[in-house]
Formats: sequence, structure tokens, C-alpha cells
Amino acid sequence: GQNIDQPTEMTATEGAIVQINCTYQTSGFNGLFWYQQHAGEAPTFLSYNVLDGLEEKGRFSSFLSRSKGYSYLLLKELQMKDSASYLCAGRMEYGNKLVFGAGTILRVKS
Amino acid sequence: DTEVTQTPKHLVMGMTNKKSLKCEQHMGHRAMYWYKQKAKKPPELMFVYSYEKLSINESVPSRFSPECPNSSLLNLHLHALQPEDSALYLCASSQGDRISYEQYFGPGTRLTVT
Repeated sequence: GQNIDQPTEMTATEGAIVQINCTYQTSGFNGLFWYQQHAGEAPTFLSYNVLDGLEEKGRFSSFLSRSKGYSYLLLKELQMKDSASYLCAGRMEYGNKLVFGAGTILRVKS
Repeated sequence: DTEVTQTPKHLVMGMTNKKSLKCEQHMGHRAMYWYKQKAKKPPELMFVYSYEKLSINESVPSRFSPECPNSSLLNLHLHALQPEDSALYLCASSQGDRISYEQYFGPGTRLTVT
């Protein structure tokens, strides 16, 4: 099957920068999404990468290296409200399907 | 309007009941999805409708029956469910089935099967 791996949990301090990594098998995927999900709520779209490189969107940036099967989500100037689960999702090469990683629970402490 | 709405928010049903989950979007999106999410797990795709036609069924048991009456509505009909089907059911939509289209998720229906 398609494996997407990301750390289970991370803790960071308010105001700091945190990087959440995601690795995936290089064959079968075409495009990488990041979603944020607060407990008990629906996932919300953060970013999408289909080409190599960095995409910046305010305090959030996402990076993709297709040859290495590697992506990261960078969150700057962390706020308490950033405490949530961050889901990495690969878009299958064929068919309109997202495969989600297990998610990384980020805890922001003051 | 970038909202996907789902009803009901919560549903408790017995194993012999028949119920339906409803999803609606008015963003003109042509692809709609059903996901199942268990606690502390990622969403798992169940069905994809593209231009009102079922394009993906992830080998979902027949006790789950999707329906897309029109481009704005998506239903999930439930019959003879099992307790292990208890989960959060998420609906999502996207502009189409192109690679770059992000999916917008609804708030979900929390289903408990007793």
C-alpha cells in the first residue's frame, strides 16, 4: 500500500518555529497536501505542493522534494491556537484520491 | 460561500435502523467525497463522485450506499450497520478532479451504532 509517515507528536513554544516532516514512497503519488485539524473539527486546507520547492503562505510554508519523497510544513511565530493535528496527504497519481498520513499532534506551550 | 454543510451533527442508531447522512455545498464544486474517521486516526476515503457519477468506491461494505442527487448534494444511506462503524463521517468537495484542487471538508456527522 501507500505509506505516508510523519511524527506522532511534537511540542513547541509560543513564538517559536516548528517543522513537521512527512515522508512518502515516491511512486504512486503526484502532489502533497497539508491539512490542519483541531480536535472534534473538520480538516482545513493549509497548502499544496506539486512541484519541488517551497510554497509560502503567511506564517505557514510547505516544502516538497519529489525525488526524495519528502515534505515539510514550517510554522513560524507559533500561537496557542496552532495546537492541532497536522495531516500530510498524498494525491494518488491516478484517480482523484487523497491518502492521509496518521497526523502529527502539535502542542504549543506558553 | 466556502462552506460544506452536513446534517445531522450527531446520530445514534441501532443495528437494524436505516438512516441517511446529508452533505451540501454551493461552491459549484463538481467532485464530492465521503470519508470515515475513527478517533485519533486520519480520514479514510470511502467514495468519490465526479460530475455526479461514482468514480471511486474503496471496497466499502454494501451497508453504506452513496447517492448524488445533483451537483450540490451528496447522501450516504446507512442500513444494518455494525458497532465498529461508529466514527466521524466527513464529506468534502473540490472544484473538480484536477490534481491541484484542494478539498473542502464539512464539520462531519458523529455516528454511534448501538
